[in-house]
Amino acid sequence: DVQLLESGGGLVQPGGSLRLSCAASGFTFSNYGMNWVRQAPGKGLEWVSSILDDAATTYYADSVKGRFTISRDNSKNTVFLQMNRLRAEDTAVYYCAKDRRVLMGFGMDYWGQGNLVIVSS
Amino acid sequence: EIVLTQSPGTLSLSPGERATLSCRASQSIISSYLAWYQQKPGQAPRLLIYGASSRATGIPDRFSGSGSGTDFTLTISRLEPEDFAVYYCQQYGSSPRYTFGQGTKLEIK
Repeated sequence: DVQLLESGGGLVQPGGSLRLSCAASGFTFSNYGMNWVRQAPGKGLEWVSSILDDAATTYYADSVKGRFTISRDNSKNTVFLQMNRLRAEDTAVYYCAKDRRVLMGFGMDYWGQGNLVIVSS
Repeated sequence: EIVLTQSPGTLSLSPGERATLSCRASQSIISSYLAWYQQKPGQAPRLLIYGASSRATGIPDRFSGSGSGTDFTLTISRLEPEDFAVYYCQQYGSSPRYTFGQGTKLEIK
């Protein structure tokens, strides 16, 4: 079975940093793009970042560009989200999600359980 | 930037009824890049429909998607108690790569 297990969330002060991890199993990780999607408390879904299977091609939402960095380690089946210069508005549950196909854009078919990040002093 | 507008914001129906949820894009999008998700409280989203009309693995056939251009629809033919949730449409584009609609809450009447 496909599993995505997230870790690394928690409470951080404004301006601080946090690194989220998402460990994947049950599929050939190196063949698929991976994504981070977040959901602020009581709000809708917001796409944050994506990384292609090549580990070199990355995309970011304008709201996090220059502050967040997505990366992956295909040897460890893990995708990361390094979050720097965190703001209160970054407070959200962060989900990692797998692309359904090798190419982006055809749906995200598996999601992690979500990891809460709270940015507050 | 393409904006997705979902309507209605809240839909109140009874089990057994038919639900029709709308997703309208601010400009024409490629149908292959339109997906629908279901999210229940405290859970991660679940992929229902991809390519505007194809059901994801394990999704019951009471769920169907249709549409093209700027207007897309998710239809649930006969509501089951477990279908009451929030539904999001999503599109893939150039910038930003992904956009979600604001969601439609389907609640029990």
